[in-house]
Amino acid sequence: QSALTQPASVSGSPGQSITISCTGTSSDIGIYFLVSWYQQHPGEAPKLLIHEVSKRPSGVSTRFSGSKSGNTASLTISGLQAEDEANYYCCSFAGSNTWMFGGGTKVTVL
Amino acid sequence: QVQLVQSGAEVKKPGASVKLSCKASGYTFIKFYMHWVRQAPGRGLEWMGIINPDGGSTTYTQTLEGRITMTTDTSTNTLYMELSGLDSKDTAVYYCVRDTLGVFDTWGQGTLVSVSS
Repeated sequence: QSALTQPASVSGSPGQSITISCTGTSSDIGIYFLVSWYQQHPGEAPKLLIHEVSKRPSGVSTRFSGSKSGNTASLTISGLQAEDEANYYCCSFAGSNTWMFGGGTKVTVL
Repeated sequence: QVQLVQSGAEVKKPGASVKLSCKASGYTFIKFYMHWVRQAPGRGLEWMGIINPDGGSTTYTQTLEGRITMTTDTSTNTLYMELSGLDSKDTAVYYCVRDTLGVFDTWGQGTLVSVSS
């Protein structure tokens, strides 16, 4: 089981939009809608941002949105803010009651 | 409110075993699957396994099969994870996580396990 593929880093200026990709295979992201995204600030536990590809939990800013096309899921952060600087991880169900995470993407606000 | 409180940091020698705990509160323990996820220093998240507290059925990642055991005590609403044959590569923060229909919605605070001779 290999990890899902994410870019190591993405950066943007305040107010801009950025998109983080998460590439899997036809055995995970490609066939399941159980794709989620997590935000992790240094020294903290991860926090759920997006679940089931594009659903936002109560309390999560509408600036965060998710989508999926084929074997690739994406997280878009619009109106980038300083507080968005963190690491972001995607996660997908991979069948047979197993799960996998992406390698993580460090978002830098310039 | 839903809360997962994990046991404290551990320091172990190579070859030893470690058993971590995670006490759940604020919800009906047996109704939600639970995961363990770990994160080596400066690295990403690694899914370790899942357990159904109602019955104890488990699925582990292939890379840890044979070394990991996840159990629950439904009388105390506590989840356990034991990892044997520790190596320096097992040095990490270990998180317990509640699963709500495939969503990792609540995370414990994490437990640091350090493996060093």
